[in-house]
Amino acid sequence: EIVLTQSPGTLSLSPGERATLSCRASQSVSSNYLAWYQQKPGQAPRLLIYGASSRATGIPDRFSGSGSGTDFTLTISRLEPEDFAVYYCQQSGSSPFTFGPGTKVDIK
Amino acid sequence: QVQLQESGPRLVKPSETLSLTCAVSGYSISSGYHWGWIRQPPGKGLEWIGSIYYSGTTYYNPSLKSRVTISVDTSKSQFSLKLSSVTAAETAVYYCARHPGAGTGGCYFDYWGQGTLVTVSS
Repeated sequence: EIVLTQSPGTLSLSPGERATLSCRASQSVSSNYLAWYQQKPGQAPRLLIYGASSRATGIPDRFSGSGSGTDFTLTISRLEPEDFAVYYCQQSGSSPFTFGPGTKVDIK
Repeated sequence: QVQLQESGPRLVKPSETLSLTCAVSGYSISSGYHWGWIRQPPGKGLEWIGSIYYSGTTYYNPSLKSRVTISVDTSKSQFSLKLSSVTAAETAVYYCARHPGAGTGGCYFDYWGQGTLVTVSS
């Protein structure tokens, strides 16, 4: 099973700042099948990025994904008030599909 | 607009079987996507339980495989989860979601139900 580690656990930033979130896999993620989700309290996760760098439908271009192999990054270029949430990475390069523990982005 | 809606008992006794159904609307359940279950204990992270294709092909998380059954009813446009011998630690929000098969950017979950909290308690 591929274990995903996310860092930092919490990121405290102000609106307008740049957020850089990391997701590291215990082994290489096949075909870079790495997705990112945003989750707000009481809501289901929302798909942001798939295939490591492809934005999902309707996702603003301030969200971008990069990386390959075992190291992946989600970047939010300029934080908007609605971006403060928990972010999860998920791999589907091998079964079982696994999620990282999440990074909380909160308001500084 | 693809919509998924979970339904089922919100309270299950320890050692009994948890049963949930996900109704799919706005998209044909037989049109090439896969359908999965994910759970999230209160305040914790996400765990994939398993998935099914409309043909009935299933694949499960090995950690739960011995206790999980996922089935599909294409005539009702719904799929179901059964998890046997549950414990209090399996109290969680259970989500159903859609994902493509492998080879199309991966098995990412693009549409989710709102989730339903199932409590395991006597």
